[in-house]
Amino acid sequence: EVQLVESGGGLVQPGRSLRLSCTASGFTFGDHAVSWVRQAPGKGLEWVGFIRSKAYGGTTEYAASVKGRFTISRDDSKSIAYLQMNSLKTEDTAVYYCTRSGSGWSFDYWGQGTLVTVSS
Amino acid sequence: QSALTQPASVSGSPGQSITISCTGTSSDVGSYNLVSWYQHHPGKAPKLMIYEVSKRPSGVSNRFSGSKSGNTASLTISGLQAEDEADYYCCSYAGSSTLYVFGTGTKVTVL
Repeated sequence: EVQLVESGGGLVQPGRSLRLSCTASGFTFGDHAVSWVRQAPGKGLEWVGFIRSKAYGGTTEYAASVKGRFTISRDDSKSIAYLQMNSLKTEDTAVYYCTRSGSGWSFDYWGQGTLVTVSS
Repeated sequence: QSALTQPASVSGSPGQSITISCTGTSSDVGSYNLVSWYQHHPGKAPKLMIYEVSKRPSGVSNRFSGSKSGNTASLTISGLQAEDEADYYCCSYAGSSTLYVFGTGTKVTVL
């Protein structure tokens, strides 16, 4: 069974940093790209960023709203993806979901999400 | 890149069919057959319902179907059931610079 479990969320002050983890199981993690998607309170889903599999260079792409502040990385030996969030803003408050990339640029599996609250 | 436009809410009685629209532009929905749909029950993980406009993942009921015309994609739920009550989001590939754009989301209510 495919599982994605996010961790690392919590309360953080504006301007500080936080790192989220996504631990995968039930599939060959290294064969798949991974995206992070967030949902701010009362709002819709927003794509945050993406990391390709090593077979496709392991390169990353980011939404304009987080580019230069957020960094995605992966450790295929541990089946974990990371989202390093720096210079956090109050508008980054959201539930952050880890997703597996599926056919046709879809997100075929999602984690349960982890809440990040940016507040002083 | 602006969010794709969906109606805020759609409702129907059990057994009826409803359709949710998802309107984008020629830079996203209109350019690629890479629209996907997600069902989201609050507090739970979103679930992929449709990918590549009209394909259903294994295990998804055939009551869910997708289509596209021009810059607008649609999700139809037939034989509406109480368990279909949830939020639904469309998403489109939007090219190499933006990658993904989500819809604004639609709350489906089963009357």
